Amino acid sequence: KAGVTQTPRYLIKTRGQQVTLSCSPISGHRSVSWYQQTPGQGLQFLFEYFSETQRNKGNFPGRFSGRQFSNSRSEMNVSTLELGDSALYLCASSSPDLGLAGGVRTGELFFGEGSRLTVL
Amino acid sequence: GENVEQHPSTLSVQEGDSAVIKCTYSDSASNYFPWYKQELGKRPQLIIDIRSNVGEKKDQRIAVTLNKTAKHFSLHITETQPEDSAVYFCAAGGSNYKLTFGKGTLLTVNP
Repeated sequence: KAGVTQTPRYLIKTRGQQVTLSCSPISGHRSVSWYQQTPGQGLQFLFEYFSETQRNKGNFPGRFSGRQFSNSRSEMNVSTLELGDSALYLCASSSPDLGLAGGVRTGELFFGEGSRLTVL
Repeated sequence: GENVEQHPSTLSVQEGDSAVIKCTYSDSASNYFPWYKQELGKRPQLIIDIRSNVGEKKDQRIAVTLNKTAKHFSLHITETQPEDSAVYFCAAGGSNYKLTFGKGTLLTVNP
């Protein structure tokens, strides 16, 4: 089974530009989450999609957006890039939700290798 | 929202010693607590998880304990080996399918 694939792996942008990152989940996984990883800040939750619907969103400005397609592939977009957006962006997919009450995640997250964004 | 605090941020041990990493969480509704290991330059991978109906879970040299009353959980690694060197992240599963991670602990096992 192929793992989670993220493209591009590395990219360099300048302030004010916008960027689109792509994530292909493991086949059969309908949930895709996005995280920003920076030194000292750990993994900060951006948003999570399930069956093309955003189920939850983290505390990031509106410049960060995402979407999910019918084949579960997901993209995230960052507009008007700032220096502080330089980070490793990780996406993770998880197995179909088992439907436990309360909406709490129960499945293992399978991470991609990430897209390393540098903003100059 | 959920807040997860993780300590220490760095931990250095001698090979063969034990290592303990502690996390606290704020949302009493959280009932899923995974731990992820991220080796240098690699993706995070799940190493162990625990649900709130269980107080302790063990898998070979690693174990996790959970105290729901105090809202804290810990990762214990015994007989550490150089290949255990990595960044370890704890996380708490709160409402709305959101998993909140701690800031990570850099564990260094010295041969």
